[in-house]
Amino acid sequence: AQTVTQSQPEMSVQEAETVTLSCTYDTSESDYYLFWYKQPPSRQMILVIRQEAYKQQNATENRFSVNFQKAAKSFSLKISDSQLGDAAMYFCAYRVNFGNEKLTFGTGTRLTIIP
Amino acid sequence: NAGVTQTPKFQVLKTGQSMTLQCAQDMNHNSMYWYRQDPGMGLRLIYYSASEGTTDKGEVPNGYNVSRLNKREFSLRLESAAPSQTSVYFCASSPRDRGYNSPLHFGNGTRLTVT
Repeated sequence: AQTVTQSQPEMSVQEAETVTLSCTYDTSESDYYLFWYKQPPSRQMILVIRQEAYKQQNATENRFSVNFQKAAKSFSLKISDSQLGDAAMYFCAYRVNFGNEKLTFGTGTRLTIIP
Repeated sequence: NAGVTQTPKFQVLKTGQSMTLQCAQDMNHNSMYWYRQDPGMGLRLIYYSASEGTTDKGEVPNGYNVSRLNKREFSLRLESAAPSQTSVYFCASSPRDRGYNSPLHFGNGTRLTVT
């Protein structure tokens, strides 16, 4: 079974600084997708960024980027120039690219932004 | 567009009572999902429906039933609520016909308390 592990329950960063959230996963598949979701206090789940496993290039969305290490099964999220609005729970998620459509989530990392 | 709409937003039940959580999406998505979110455990899949007329168990289906009423609606029923079902419930949908890299679109969640 696929598992997703987020080993940092909580992180904090000074406003305008850079922070990296860690995620590792376990799978025997070679074709899959990885996602980072953000959940602010409003409880809404918001897609931050996605990565296709067959693409070597790391995905980037504005201030958000990933470091995807397929061999190490690692998928970290880097947030540059942190802003107060980035404060939220962040969830890493995995989805295989065929058959099973389930999205498997990690346990989340709560990010606090220090003004 | 409303996206994914869940009702109710909050609910308090007594042990043994039953209720149905409603979910509807207006994005013409084929796949729909029910997750529960508990502190320290991330989001866990209860049931999902890959298309109208089909449903499959997820990671934690015990104590729940689902109905895919039509393409738009996917309801979750608790027949005899237990305190262990106190949680935040999320409905989600995705456009299966776009391929498996399609992210899930989430509703705003239902906070259920069982006393």
